[in-house]
Amino acid sequence: ILNVEQSPQSLHVQEGDSTNFTCSFPSSNFYALHWYRWETAKSPEALFVMTLNGDEKKKGRISATLNTKEGYSYLYIKGSQPEDSATYLCAYVTDSWGKLQFGAGTQVVVTP
Amino acid sequence: NAGVTQTPKFQVLKTGQSMTLQCAQDMNHNSMYWYRQDPGMGLRLIYYSASEGTTDKGEVPNGYNVSRLNKREFSLRLESAAPSQTSVYFCASSGLAWGPTYEQYFGPGTRLTVT
Repeated sequence: ILNVEQSPQSLHVQEGDSTNFTCSFPSSNFYALHWYRWETAKSPEALFVMTLNGDEKKKGRISATLNTKEGYSYLYIKGSQPEDSATYLCAYVTDSWGKLQFGAGTQVVVTP
Repeated sequence: NAGVTQTPKFQVLKTGQSMTLQCAQDMNHNSMYWYRQDPGMGLRLIYYSASEGTTDKGEVPNGYNVSRLNKREFSLRLESAAPSQTSVYFCASSGLAWGPTYEQYFGPGTRLTVT
């Protein structure tokens, strides 16, 4: 069983502040890393699929970076808004078929 | 497009009962997946189907069976439900072909309680 670890488990952020959190994964046999956003009472939705060392992806105020050599990815939220409140999941691709190993998630709560 | 649909949304079973969770997607995706989500544990893969006609075990397959009925539909069966199978079950699909770079699309989930 591979270990995908996310930290911290939860974050409380004031509206307007920026924040970031980490996903750690095995650095060998890297295929890809996925980030998903999961709002309460909804289904997870894909944010990014990252494949190359040094990759940086951006969607609005959310961005992510990837370091495959050391086995970590950061997700950044700039100028947090209440609608950014969600659990953010990272998922490590374990084989060429695209099977995912999910981390337990980082729960972000943005308060006005 | 409806995306990925799942039925039922909620179900309560007694220990030993059986049931089938249904999943369908209308995105012409090749790969389909069943996950369970338990508090503090993230999503764990139960079974997946890389393409029509194939299925394979994931991380936690014990107590479950699956059928890839056609390209659209992938069902999950609990033959003899146990309290340890109380969970939220998500179906997902991805890709016009298999591969690591295709994001997965998730259904709304089925909340199952086994008493």
